[in-house]
Order: sequence, then structure tokens, then C-alpha cells
Amino acid sequence: DGGITQSPKYLFRKEGQNVTLSCEQNLNHDAMYWYRQDPGQGLRLIYYSQIVNDFQKGDIAEGYSVSREKKESFPLTVTSAQKNPTAFYLCASSIVREAGETQYFGPGTRLLVL
Amino acid sequence: GEDVEQSLFLSVREGDSSVINCTYTDSSSTYLYWYKQEPGAGLQLLTYIFSNMDMKQDQRLTVLLNKKDKHLSLRIADTQTGDSAIYFCAETGSGGGADGLTFGKGTHLIIQP
Repeated sequence: DGGITQSPKYLFRKEGQNVTLSCEQNLNHDAMYWYRQDPGQGLRLIYYSQIVNDFQKGDIAEGYSVSREKKESFPLTVTSAQKNPTAFYLCASSIVREAGETQYFGPGTRLLVL
Repeated sequence: GEDVEQSLFLSVREGDSSVINCTYTDSSSTYLYWYKQEPGAGLQLLTYIFSNMDMKQDQRLTVLLNKKDKHLSLRIADTQTGDSAIYFCAETGSGGGADGLTFGKGTHLIIQP
């Protein structure tokens, strides 16, 4: 069964704590992305990676970090520097077409601050 | 930055057609997308259109693209209760999507019985 998995579905963070959100794909896609969704808002890009061991900041990278050690995995760490982390986090991967890419999304992780 | 604009809400009667509209700003976008999000779920790709096309039809879905006006629409024929969701329009921008997509804020489609 091919697809994108995210875990956990819900995550709670205490003050000053770093938490890591998991994203795995078995679609053999080269590129992976992290987006943040706030209520009534569209998706905003946090980080993206087009190949293993390489990644770029998106529009709202401050307070977040990522790694891409394997093609299948792109974990996102929400650090204590992110002052407003409560949001729905969506991971995506993409297949490259001739003139552009199509992104497929995982089910999301909802992060809540205690 | 580039903005993708959508109306926040659309209410239609069950069985009628729904038309969700979107305007985008980056004329170099190569692909434009429609995604569907049900409560608490991720985004499901509904359909996409290549920028050199005017129309694309896929079963109950029809996408119309007016490049001159930078206007994209999604028509859902015979709207059902299962179509109730948030619909996002997205564009690739000049990078072809390799540096992420730009999304609108989403249109909540509400189905009246």
C-alpha cells in the first residue's frame, strides 16, 4: 500500500520542549515538504527537500528544523524557539512531471501546547 | 509575495452544481491544483490543470482556466453531502512547484439538504 504516513496524529508539547513530527513515504518520491495550517488559513511552507541530505527553508522556517537522511523520511522538529506552535502540520511528497510537480499529502499531525 | 484568493464560504443545495472560484497572481505557474480537505484530515488531490489548457473534465468535476484573467474555477456537478469539505486552490509559481505550492485560504462548501 503506497502512501504518506504521519505520526503521531496528536502531539502535546510542554513549554521549552522540542518535539519531532514523523513523515514517511513509500512512493519513491524525491521531494518532500512540510506545511503548517492554522484555522481559516491556507497552508504555509516551512521547509522542503528535493534530494537526500539537502533541504531549504520555506516561508516560515523560524523555530523549526528538519533532516533528510533517507529518501523515505523527512522529520520535522518544532523547537522551543517556535513561540506559537499550535497548528495542524501537513507533510507532502511530490512526483516530478514534465513541467511541474504534483504534491500528495499525508493525514497530518495536530500539535497542541500544554 | 504571491497571493491566491478564494471566497471563504459557498452554500449550495444538494443536487445542484457548485462552482468554486479562485484567482491567482503568478502568470508563470505551470500547474494549478484543486485539493479537498475533510475535517481533521490531510489534503486530497482532486484534479489539476496544465497552464496551456482551458478546460479539464473528470467525471463530476470540471476545471476552467482563464489565463488572461488569472482565474480558475472548479465545478462540481450534482453536489452530494459527501462533497462537504474545504476546497483549496494552489499554484506552482515559476518554480514549477519544486519550491512548494502557494495555496489559497480555502473555500468551505456547505451542502443544504
